[in-house]
Amino acid sequence: EPEVTQTPSHQVTQMGQEVILRCVPISNHLYFYWYRQILGQKVEFLVSFYNNEISEKSEIFDDQFSVERPDGSNFTLKIRSTKLEDSAMYFCASSASGGWTGELFFGEGSRLTVL
Amino acid sequence: DQQVKQNSPSLSVQEGRISILNCDYTNSMFDYFLWYKKYPAEGPTFLISISSIKDKNEDGRFTVFLNKSAKHLSLHIVPSQPGDSAVYFCAASSDSGGSNYKLTFGKGTLLTVNP
Repeated sequence: EPEVTQTPSHQVTQMGQEVILRCVPISNHLYFYWYRQILGQKVEFLVSFYNNEISEKSEIFDDQFSVERPDGSNFTLKIRSTKLEDSAMYFCASSASGGWTGELFFGEGSRLTVL
Repeated sequence: DQQVKQNSPSLSVQEGRISILNCDYTNSMFDYFLWYKKYPAEGPTFLISISSIKDKNEDGRFTVFLNKSAKHLSLHIVPSQPGDSAVYFCAASSDSGGSNYKLTFGKGTLLTVNP
C-alpha cells in the first residue's frame, strides 16, 4: 500500500541551527502538507503546497520556515534558525485532491528536539 | 483558540461494547468533519468522514453522527475491539474562503479497549 515516508525519524539539534525535514509523498498525489504536534498538544496545520507554491499557511509558519519540492518526489520543510519551542513531532501529509473532501495521508512523523 | 474540542482526554471500554467519542466545534464555517486514528509512533490514519449535508455516515463498525445545530459530532465504534485502542482525533475543514486545504484538529481522545 502506498505510504508517505519521512526522514529523519528523530533529529536533535542545537538552538539556532538549521534543520531540514524530508518527506516523500504518495507518488500520484498533488497536494502536500506539513502539520506539527507539540507534546501533549493538538495536531496543528503549518502549510499546504500545490503546483509548486504555498496554498495556505498558518500563523505558526513564519519567515523561519520554508517548504520546497526540489524534485519530483521529495517535499521538504526547512527551519532556518531553530528555537526551543520548535521541538515537536512534524507530520508530512499528502492528498490526491485538495478539495474539502480530500483525505490526507500522513507519514509517521519526524521528531525534532531543539536543545 | 480551540475551534475543535474533544473534552474527554481518555475513554476506557470493554471489548464488545460500544465506544462513543465526542467532539464539539465552534466555527460555524466548518462543513466537513473527519476522524483520524493514531497509534504510538505512527502518523494519523484517516478513519471516517462526514459532510455537513448529512447527519450520519456509517462504515462497518464505525459510524459518525453530526448534529449541526449543536455543533457536535460523535464517533461510535461497535463492537469495540482491543485493536481499536488508539488516540482518536476529530478534525474539521471549511470549503469557504479558500481554506479547504487546512484541517483543524482537536486534542484527541485516548481510547482503551480492555479484553
